[in-house]
Parts: sequence; structure tokens; C-alpha cells
Amino acid sequence: EIVLTQSPDTLSLSPGERATLSCRASQTVSSFSLAWYQQKPGQSPRLLMYAASARVAGTPDRFSGGGSETDFTLTIGRLEPEDFAVYYCHQYGSSPPTFGGGTKLEIK
Amino acid sequence: QVHLVQSGAEVKKPGSSVKVSCKTSGGTFSRFGISWVRQAPGHGLEWMGGIIPMFGAADYAQKFQGRVTITADDSTSTGYMELSSLTSDDTAVYFCALGEKPVVEYLEYWGQGTQLTVSS
Repeated sequence: EIVLTQSPDTLSLSPGERATLSCRASQTVSSFSLAWYQQKPGQSPRLLMYAASARVAGTPDRFSGGGSETDFTLTIGRLEPEDFAVYYCHQYGSSPPTFGGGTKLEIK
Repeated sequence: QVHLVQSGAEVKKPGSSVKVSCKTSGGTFSRFGISWVRQAPGHGLEWMGGIIPMFGAADYAQKFQGRVTITADDSTSTGYMELSSLTSDDTAVYFCALGEKPVVEYLEYWGQGTQLTVSS
């Protein structure tokens, strides 16, 4: 199975700053089949991006996704207070689907 | 818009089984790609298995093979996940999630989660 490694584990930034989250795959993720989710404490995950760079309706345009094959990134252009949460990447191009371990984005 | 409502919290003894339900509304149930994902306390997300009701057969993560059964009832638009031979390591929140295409892919809609506690 494809192992996804997210880095950093924790990212401490201030509102207004730019955040870059990384997701590295142990094998090529086929057809850009990578999604990003945001999860806040006590809530279910929320889909933000799919196909590596496609925003779901309702995802603010300060969120952007990129990358290919084994290296993917989620960038948040200017952090808003509501963006501080845990972010997970998820590959669904190969069975079984797998998730990364998450990056916690916290307020500095 | 699709909504998912899961069954309530469960407390089970080691060695027993649990069955969690996930009732959907909106969309076309038979064409969903439904997954079950769990999250142990303080941990990340773990895919357990999935099913596409129109095709019937479920696919499972190797870790759970032989211990998990995922089914779907088209007549009630409800998905089910049954986990047997429970241990304390199965204490987690269990989510159903789905996409609206008949493949197991990105998960656009999520249930509220069902807390399972396994304790003697």
C-alpha cells in the first residue's frame, strides 16, 4: 500500500502568514488522485481539495493544492483564524486508499 | 446535498461485535462510493473498507480482513459496518463517508462519527 508522510507534524504560524503543508507518497499516486481534508476538534473531516489541485465548492481561494507523482503540497495563502486545524492528505488512486498522519496547524 | 446520520455511541466488551449504521438522504444511494474510516484517540484517519451499493461487493483494508463486514441496504439508503472480535485497540470514532460517484475515491460527505469504547 502507498504510505503518505506529512510534514511538518506541527506548524506554528500567525494569522496573515502563509502556510505550506507537505505530503510525500512512498509510490507514485496515480492520476493526481490526492485529496486534502481539514479537521477541527470534535468535528468530522471536511474535504477541501481533490485531484491534487481542484477546490471543492465552498473552499476559499486562499487554499491551493499542487504537486504530482510522489510530492504534493497544500498552501494557504493568508491564514485566517478559522484555518487553524489538522490537515490530512488522502490518496485514492491505488487500493487500499490511505491517509497521511496529519499536520497540525496551530496559532503562534 | 447529501446527509449522513450515524447510529449512536456504543460500549462493548472485548471479544464482542459492534454494528454501526449510516443512513443517507439526498443523492442516489446505489451510485455512492461509501467508505468507513476510523480515528483512534489522538490519532489520524484510517481507511477500513468501502462499498459501492450498485455493485454490491465490499473491499477491505488488509488489516481488517476477516474481522469487518461492510454492507449496504438500498431499500433504506443505509450503510452498515460490523466489526468483530473487539479489543481495546478498537476504541475509536468510526466515520462513514462517501462520494457521489460509483467508485471509492475522495470523500465529500461525512457522517457525524460514532464513538466505540471497548472495555471490560
